Amino acid sequence: AQKVTQAQTEISVVEKEDVTLDCVYETRDTTYYLFWYKQPPSGELVFLIRRNSFDEQNEISGRYSWNFQKSTSSFNFTITASQVVDSAVYFCALSVKAAGNKLTFGGGTRVLVKP
Amino acid sequence: ETGVTQSPTHLIKTRGQQVTLRCSSQSGHNTVSWYQQALGQGPQFIFQYYREEENGRGNFPPRFSGLQFPNYSSELNVNALELDDSALYLCASSPIRGEQFFGPGTRLTVL
Repeated sequence: AQKVTQAQTEISVVEKEDVTLDCVYETRDTTYYLFWYKQPPSGELVFLIRRNSFDEQNEISGRYSWNFQKSTSSFNFTITASQVVDSAVYFCALSVKAAGNKLTFGGGTRVLVKP
Repeated sequence: ETGVTQSPTHLIKTRGQQVTLRCSSQSGHNTVSWYQQALGQGPQFIFQYYREEENGRGNFPPRFSGLQFPNYSSELNVNALELDDSALYLCASSPIRGEQFFGPGTRLTVL
């Protein structure tokens, strides 16, 4: 069975501060995919990134960056120079090849960026 | 390209009633997955439909059932509603092993 843990339930920062969201996953499968989604108050899940288990290269996209470390089963997400529009709930998720593209989500981290 | 749409947006039902939620998949996608998101929690996988057949199911009782139509749109049916069924129901469409694109959800309240 798969499991995703997001230990931080809520993070509050002031605009322009950096914020890092932690994600730890568990799976016995060797081929899997990790995701981050953003859920604004409107409720729709917005896809941010997908990484496969064979690609540990860190990635940067604008103010977003991701740190994937298989040794610690972690896939952390950093928002640099946060903005008020970044306020949302962020979910880390996992899918394994053997189960198709079914997603197992963590509990989410609520990020509040204050002006 | 039209994204994933869901209807209705909000719904209020009473215990014991039955409800049907609808999802139109994104053009070119033949797979639809349904998730339940209780307040303050992450989404939980209910089931997936591929080419009109159930293709995987999460830990939900049989009173949760679904359909997929030839145009790949889908319905989620819940019978004998319970208070704990109150949640945001999310639909996602994708190619069979591809990226899932989520709709805006249907918020169900059971009184």
